[in-house]
Amino acid sequence: DIQMTQSPSSLSASVGDRVTITCRASQSISTYLNWYQQKPGKAPRLLIYATSNLQSGVPSRFTGSGSGTDFTLTISSLQPQDFATYYCQQSYSPASWTFGQGTKVEVK
Amino acid sequence: EVQVEESGGGLVQPGRSLRLSCAASGFRFDDYAMHWVRQAPGKGLEWVSTINWNSGDIAYAGSVEGRFTISRDNAKNSVYLQMNSLTAEDTALYYCTRFNYEIEAFDYWGQGTLVTVSS
Repeated sequence: DIQMTQSPSSLSASVGDRVTITCRASQSISTYLNWYQQKPGKAPRLLIYATSNLQSGVPSRFTGSGSGTDFTLTISSLQPQDFATYYCQQSYSPASWTFGQGTKVEVK
Repeated sequence: EVQVEESGGGLVQPGRSLRLSCAASGFRFDDYAMHWVRQAPGKGLEWVSTINWNSGDIAYAGSVEGRFTISRDNAKNSVYLQMNSLTAEDTALYYCTRFNYEIEAFDYWGQGTLVTVSS
C-alpha cells in the first residue's frame, strides 16, 4: 500500500497567516492527490482534487501543488473558518485509497 | 442536490455482526462507485471498502478483508456494509462517500453512522 505522510501533525497560526501543509507519498503518485478539510463533528469536505484543482465553492485562498511524491496545501491568508484538520489522500493506487494522518490547524 | 445518508450504526458486542446502509439521492446512482471510510474516535480517516457501479469491482482494506462485505442495490440507490466478527478496533464513525471518476476524488460524504464495539 502507498503510505501518505503529512507534516506537521499540528500547527498553531493566527488569522491572516500563510499556512503550508505538506504531504509525502511513499512512491510516486503522479498528481493523483486530493485534499480534504474536516471540522469537529462534521464530515470531510473535498477542497482540492488532482493536486491543484479547486473543488466548486472552495475559496481561492486555498492552493495545492506538487507531483510525484511531494505535495503541498497552502492557505494564503488564514480565515477564522479555516481552523480545522486537513487530510491528503491518494487516488493513484487502484483498490487501495489511502489518507494522510491529518494536520490540525489551531488558533495561536 | 446530492445527498448521502448512512444508518444502521449502534452498540454491538465483540464477535457480533452489524449491517450499515447508505441511501443516496440527487444523482444517477449507478454512474458512480461508492466507498466506505471510517474514523476511529479522535483518529484520522481510514478507507474501508469500495464497490463499483455494477458490483463487478469490489475491494477492501486489509484490516477488514474477510470480515466485511460491501454490496449495493441500484434500484434502491443504496449501498450496504455487512460487518462480521467485529472487534473493538472496528469502533468508528463510518462514512459513506461517492467517488467521482472524473476528478478521482471523494466529492460527497454522508454525516456518518457510529459503530461502537464493546461488551
